[in-house]
This record gives sequence, C-alpha cells and structure tokens, in this order.
Amino acid sequence: AQKVTQAQTEISVVEKEDVTLDCVYETRDTTYYLFWYKQPPSGELVFLIRRNSFDEQNEISGRYSWNFQKSTSSFNFTITASQVVDSAVYFCALSEGSGTYKYIFGTGTRLKVLA
Amino acid sequence: GAGVSQSPSNKVTEKGKDVELRCDPISGHTALYWYRQRLGQGLEFLIYFQGNSAPDKSGLPSDRFSAERTGESVSTLTIQRTQQEDSAVYLCASSLQGDYYGYTFGSGTRLTVV
Repeated sequence: AQKVTQAQTEISVVEKEDVTLDCVYETRDTTYYLFWYKQPPSGELVFLIRRNSFDEQNEISGRYSWNFQKSTSSFNFTITASQVVDSAVYFCALSEGSGTYKYIFGTGTRLKVLA
Repeated sequence: GAGVSQSPSNKVTEKGKDVELRCDPISGHTALYWYRQRLGQGLEFLIYFQGNSAPDKSGLPSDRFSAERTGESVSTLTIQRTQQEDSAVYLCASSLQGDYYGYTFGSGTRLTVV
C-alpha cells in the first residue's frame, strides 16, 4: 500500500535557523515520484520540487535543499537560514507509476518561523 | 487562464442542501483533479479527469458526490444532501499530462455545512 508519513505536525524556529522537514513514504512500485508543496496562509498550494525514483541526487535551490534516500524511503526537505515568509504548511506527496497522476499526500508539517 | 480558478471561494450551506463547486483549469491542461482537505489534515484524492472522462473516481466518498467535466475545460463537483462531515476545503488542480512541474492548484472552495 502507498503511504506518506510526515511525523512532525508543527515546528517552530527562530529566523535564520536551519530546519529540516521529514517525509517517509511507502510504495511497492519501482517507478514513482515524490513531491513537496508549500501551502501558505492564503491556501493555494505551491509546487516546490518533483523527484523520480531513479534519481537519487540531492537538489539545492537557493535556501532549499532536498535529500532523497531510497534505502530509508525518505525525502527530507531542508530550509537554510529560514525566514518569516517560509511560514506555511508543507506537504510531501507520492505518485506511483509512470506519469503524474493521483497523489498520496502526507498530513503536512506546519512551520512557524519567528522573527 | 493564468491559473486554476475555483468558485465560490467560500460556501456556507445548510445540512441536506445540494452544492456545486466549480473549477476552471489552466487552458490546455488535459488532466484535472479534485482533492478534499479537512481541517488540519492532508489532501484526499477524490477524482481524476483526463479530457472529459474520469478514469479514476475511486476517491469519491459516497454516491452523494459526483463530478463532471465538459469541453475539456470546466469541471463541476456536486455534493447532494450535504452532511456536516462534508465541511472541508475542496481543491482543484490541473496539469499537462506528463508535466514535470506537477499539478497547479487552485485556491480552493471552503465549504461549511451548518
């Protein structure tokens, strides 16, 4: 069965601290896709990254970085030097198969960055 | 349009009434999805459209829920005889099939059943 677990319900950090959001997934497929989305207070989900199961390279985009480890079925997300604007709910999601289709979402992690 | 548009943004309805939620996807996006987000929870898949057909309706929670899509564009999610447990944010998303950048979500419709 497919499942995404985000064990951290809420995290609070002080501005400029680094923070890592955890995501653990379960799937029987060998081909799958993992995603992170940001949901700010406005409510609209914003795409951050997609990673396919054959590409375990870590990725960095500005202050954001992602660590994909198939051995532990994890796809963790780190924000370096956090800012107040990073405050949001962050969702990890899994899509099985060869095309982006139905996503299975985790329950989300609410990040609060305090000034 | 420039983004995925959903209407209304907020809807308060009395228990037992029917409601219709509308989604206008990005022009040219053949795939359209409906998700439900209950308070403090993740997103639950409801239904997927490819063009005007719905190859996967497995997430619809009961026969009170239905959806249609016309002209490979607008989609309507209908909830009949609403119940309090239907209260949630209903999110629509669209994508190009095989789009690397994943879905584009709308801002959602917040449905409150009183």
